Amino acid sequence: DTAVSQTPKYLVTQMGNDKSIKCEQNLGHDTMYWYKQDSKKFLKIMFSYNNKELIINETVPNRFSPKSPDKAHLNLHINSLELGDSAVYFCASSQAATTNYGYTFGSGTRLTVV
Amino acid sequence: KQEVTQIPAALSVPEGENLVLNCSFTDSAIYNLQWFRQDPGKGLTSLLLIQSSQREQTSGRLNASLDKSSGRSTLYIAASQPGDSATYLCAVSGSGTYKYIFGTGTRLKVLA
Repeated sequence: DTAVSQTPKYLVTQMGNDKSIKCEQNLGHDTMYWYKQDSKKFLKIMFSYNNKELIINETVPNRFSPKSPDKAHLNLHINSLELGDSAVYFCASSQAATTNYGYTFGSGTRLTVV
Repeated sequence: KQEVTQIPAALSVPEGENLVLNCSFTDSAIYNLQWFRQDPGKGLTSLLLIQSSQREQTSGRLNASLDKSSGRSTLYIAASQPGDSATYLCAVSGSGTYKYIFGTGTRLKVLA
């Protein structure tokens, strides 16, 4: 009964490839997020969707494109992967477009670009 | 621009000790603050959420305090156990926003 699930858990791919990471939440939350954790373990927000609408779009290369087919799913597609994209990507959700109730995080996707 | 710092970056203590982890933030106009735990190779587990109007929150052996005016929060862990070994992250959200700014984390090791 995982609340926020991400697939795949690990992803190893070559430079230049295109890949997608999927996230699903079964909490009935309206808002979902993508965070990136770099090699120094620093977490930084990338995107947020509220009811399928993009509400946060931080300074992220346009090779990264989020897609939310419905409010329970938020996918991240990355084009032309670069070595610097190697990181752990975390999906999170919250009850609404507010931090009032905190976040619930997924277990992360470790992306390694070789 | 909000910046969140956690001190110390790493901490190693013998089992049974009480310990304090610190979190400081530069902009005191926060909405709330959340403490998380991250185990190696795992996701983040929420520990405590403190609203800006609250001074502290408690859960079991954990107690988190918040002093908004001085831009500080502390996480107190009583009677530490080896199972408490993990990285502890604090995150703050600003008024009118719905994103968290994370601290740099404190890596805790409790020795048996």
